[in-house]
Amino acid sequence: KAGVTQTPRYLIKTRGQQVTLSCSPISGHRSVSWYQQTPGQGLQFLFEYFSETQRNKGNFPGRFSGRQFSNSRSEMNVSTLELGDSALYLCASSLSGGSGTLAKNIQYFGAGTRLSVL
Amino acid sequence: AQRVTQPEKLLSVFKGAPVELKCNYSYSGSPELFWYVQYSRQRLQLLLRHISRESIKGFTADLNKGETSFHLKKPFAQEEDSAMYYCALKVVDSGNTPLVFGKGTRLSVIA
Repeated sequence: KAGVTQTPRYLIKTRGQQVTLSCSPISGHRSVSWYQQTPGQGLQFLFEYFSETQRNKGNFPGRFSGRQFSNSRSEMNVSTLELGDSALYLCASSLSGGSGTLAKNIQYFGAGTRLSVL
Repeated sequence: AQRVTQPEKLLSVFKGAPVELKCNYSYSGSPELFWYVQYSRQRLQLLLRHISRESIKGFTADLNKGETSFHLKKPFAQEEDSAMYYCALKVVDSGNTPLVFGKGTRLSVIA
């Protein structure tokens, strides 16, 4: 089974630009979560999508948005980039993001997209 | 809101010494606790979860509800254990909530 795939692996943007990151979950997984990883803050939850609906949202400004398609693939978009948005963005998929069999709570992570904002 | 605290940013131990990475959480209900590990240049991956009650790569972790802790332990550290370790909590008795991570502890095993 292929793992979680994130594209692109690296991105360099300048302040004020916008960016779109993509995530393809493991086949059969319906939940996709996004995280921002930085050395100082660790992993911070951005949002979670399940069956094309945003189920949970972290404490990030509205510049950060996402969506999920019918095939469970997900994208996140960051508009009006700021220097502080430079980070590794991780996507994780699971069978189910919430209730149900506990085995469904295990998240599988992609390798991430490293975004550098200049 | 749920919170996970890993008090040590960096933990250095000698090879063969015991290791304990601390994790404390704040949640009054029934959580599910996980340890995730990120080796150099590898993706974040699940190490173990409390409901499995198993030992992975020599690591164990016991959920102590009285002390709200889920410390990760290994009796004899190996160089290949050097990595970033994250403790995470998921609420399983109240709707759909996201996985909450601690800020991580970097374990460095010195030869």
